[in-house]
Order: sequence, then C-alpha cells, then structure tokens
Amino acid sequence: QVQLVESGGGLVKPGGSLRLSCAASGFTFSDYFMGWIRQAPGKGLEWLSYMSSSGTTIYYADSVKGRFTISWDNAKNSLFLQMHSPRAEDTAVYYCARGDCSRSDCSDSLLGAFDLWGQGTMVTVSS
Amino acid sequence: DIVMTQTPLSLPVTLGQPASISCRSSQSLVHSDGNTYLSWLQQRPGQPPRLLIYKISERISGVPDRFSGSGAGTDFTLKISRVEAEDAGVYYCMQAATSHSLTFGGGTKVEIE
Repeated sequence: QVQLVESGGGLVKPGGSLRLSCAASGFTFSDYFMGWIRQAPGKGLEWLSYMSSSGTTIYYADSVKGRFTISWDNAKNSLFLQMHSPRAEDTAVYYCARGDCSRSDCSDSLLGAFDLWGQGTMVTVSS
Repeated sequence: DIVMTQTPLSLPVTLGQPASISCRSSQSLVHSDGNTYLSWLQQRPGQPPRLLIYKISERISGVPDRFSGSGAGTDFTLKISRVEAEDAGVYYCMQAATSHSLTFGGGTKVEIE
C-alpha cells in the first residue's frame, strides 16, 4: 500500500528539540523528492522544506531556516525533520508529502506538486 | 517569495450548482522549463490535503471530472461543475514555479447549503 506515516509529535518546551519521522511504503522512496508542510490550528498550509534522496537538493522556508533540519534514511525508507529550539508559533500538525520524481529520466513528467500526503503528526510547543 | 491570493475566503454553494475559486499569484508562475506549476488541493474536515489538479489543469487519477482547472500566468481558477456533498472542505492552490520556495494560497472554504 502506497502511504506515508508520520510519528514523533507531541508536547515540547520552547527551546527544546523534537525529531519527526515519516515512514514511506509502497513506492521507491529514493526516486522522489520529499517534503514537510505544516498547518497551525485553524490555519492554512505552510511549506517548510524538501529534499532529494541524494541530499544534493535541500530547501527551507525562511520561517524555519537555521532552526529545522531535514534528513533522509534510504535504508529505513524514512524522512526526518529535526526541530531545534522550537517556538510557540511552531505549534501545528506536521505533514510529510511526496514531491516530484527526482530521477534524471523524469524531467518530462514533473507534476510540480505533492501527490501523496501522510495523516500528519501534531506538535505542541508550550512550557 | 511569491504570494498566492485566493478568493473568496468562504463559498456557500447549493448542491448541484457550480462553484468557482480564484487564485492569483504576485508574479508569473511560468517555470524556467516552460511549465506552469500551479496545483489545487482539497482538504476535507479532519483529513490531510489531497492533490486534485497539477500543472493548472491536469487531474490526478481518480479525481471526478466535475473538477477542472484553468488559467495562465498569474490568474488561475478551480471550477466544480456541479457541487456534491463530498466536495465540502477547504481548497488550496500551490505554486512550485520557484523551486527553492513553495507557497500555498490562504484557502477557500466550500460550504454546502
């Protein structure tokens, strides 16, 4: 079954740290870009970061640059988001999502979109 | 960063009637490769977002053909030809014209009357 399952959310104190995980199954994980998007309670979607399995492409939104780190483990078919020194405004549901194919032979079939989303994991930053 | 502005914020629609959502970008969404990476997502209550349409008008497999996308440059539209009860939710546009910075519109809540 093609799916993404996030885990690792919970309550974290401001200035603490938290690592979110995203386990992929049902597709060749290393063939795709993968990203993180969040949604604060009652708010819209905010793109945070995405990367390629090779690590040659990594981008961050300004709101998390320098504070959050995206990483990848092909052996575990998993994507991670390390949250350093989170703030109250980082409270949100965090989704991982599958982006475009990253293989060189996919250039003619790019979607420019996230076509598979996990159910999300809730992160609450509070003292 | 490219700013995506959706209107209206809220859209009450009668069952069986059409619905239209607008998404405008602060600059052209034509990518350097010539494609326009504008997508539409649906988020039903309590659910994660779901991709409906990519590259302005291409429907993802399984998406009903009552959903259609159109537009070019900076102006885009999502239309639902005849709204059904299951179409209730929030709809977002997203741009990927700038690979290093993706942005979503603020969302449009479709409410079935």
